[in-house]
Amino acid sequence: ETGVTQTPRHLVMGMTNKKSLKCEQHLGHNAMYWYKQSAKKPLELMFVYNFKEQTENNSVPSRFSPECPNSSHLFLHLHTLQPEDSALYLCASSQVGGGGYTFGSGTRLTVV
Amino acid sequence: DQQVKQNSPSLSVQEGRISILNCDYTNSMFDYFLWYKKYPAEGPTFLISISSIKDKNEDGRFTVFLNKSAKHLSLHIVPSQPGDSAVYFCAASENSFNKFYFGSGTKLNVKP
Repeated sequence: ETGVTQTPRHLVMGMTNKKSLKCEQHLGHNAMYWYKQSAKKPLELMFVYNFKEQTENNSVPSRFSPECPNSSHLFLHLHTLQPEDSALYLCASSQVGGGGYTFGSGTRLTVV
Repeated sequence: DQQVKQNSPSLSVQEGRISILNCDYTNSMFDYFLWYKKYPAEGPTFLISISSIKDKNEDGRFTVFLNKSAKHLSLHIVPSQPGDSAVYFCAASENSFNKFYFGSGTKLNVKP
């Protein structure tokens, strides 16, 4: 596997469910990110992890809980989501200190 | 408040002609800019970058122009090809660091 891999690709969940999104990077990067893409809106930065430490939480509701056990893996735990949370969730990685991101293919989340 | 804006949600161009995608930003501290291309069901992929010490960067058919005084950048694709049909995002960061702000994207359609 190369690049940034996200699973699952699609997820449908009820408002009372608990689910997790997974991201894995095989690029040797030391920073990882969660972005949310809603229709016709800019990509919204949710969380930033540098060297496994969370350095940014962009006022994200607590029903989204990130976890970064090591520099290669990033999770987004989801709990009691709302229908407006339906979106494409993108994971990205980069080197701390510069350069652009490498994105995964995203998880298309639908909350029903 | 959106710091990076792409005011044209869509653009349609004939194959072989020039495509010009525009991006405006509000933060004068931004010094590193990227363009990403996104196909449906895939994550954004890096296309081209420019730092604020330059006003132009060229890579094959793609050229990015930066006008710092106007806080404006543009991506030129010439000649445009049907395979260029995708959504294009511009992104900006401060101090070339790894936190990027994205625009809402412009959907380019290149007609054969």
